[in-house]
Amino acid sequence: DQQVKQNSPSLSVQEGRISILNCDYTNSMFDYFLWYKKYPAEGPTFLISISSIKDKNEDGRFTVFLNKSAKHLSLHIVPSQPGDSAVYFCAASAGGGSNYKLTFGKGTLLTVNP
Amino acid sequence: KAGVTQTPRYLIKTRGQQVTLSCSPISGHRSVSWYQQTPGQGLQFLFEYFSETQRNKGNFPGRFSGRQFSNSRSEMNVSTLELGDSALYLCASSFRAGDNIQYFGAGTRLSVL
Repeated sequence: DQQVKQNSPSLSVQEGRISILNCDYTNSMFDYFLWYKKYPAEGPTFLISISSIKDKNEDGRFTVFLNKSAKHLSLHIVPSQPGDSAVYFCAASAGGGSNYKLTFGKGTLLTVNP
Repeated sequence: KAGVTQTPRYLIKTRGQQVTLSCSPISGHRSVSWYQQTPGQGLQFLFEYFSETQRNKGNFPGRFSGRQFSNSRSEMNVSTLELGDSALYLCASSFRAGDNIQYFGAGTRLSVL
């Protein structure tokens, strides 16, 4: 059962435009959400996160929005740059304790065209 | 400071063999988690170790096992390899158990023939 879903396997945008990557989740216990970026032949790197008590978090060109009622989050990249071309993974966690783990989506390949 | 180091980077094995992968976390990090990435499946959690103890385990068969040493380095072992075990195996470290932000290594690419 896929608890974190990224329904778009790929996305292509023009340099300078906005990139919007979407993520849906089914587990209402998730209370912390993260986005990771992965380049080929490298491990994923942390990009931005948001706690369930917030609905928006911004860091430079990257903004994550959380809609808890819809169980949906999105990552906005403005303006998009060719160096942003990578696979983006959405991840979620539910509290701490011995059952803690990060649950990842399958990823979205973003291509930013010059 | 040095990042997470995984060795080897590439491995080719045949069905039925076993394999051991190694992960050295960032200095000072005591938690190590392992993930399997296969095409179209994203990253799937294998297990997390903290202070030499397995804290949590994902939904994988018992052929997948791991351990952590007193210096926080970790190994994972897969016995009786199957073709479906071909994947990128990623290790991630964090300072404490349950930290949301984890730092990943580049992974070990395992091919089972």
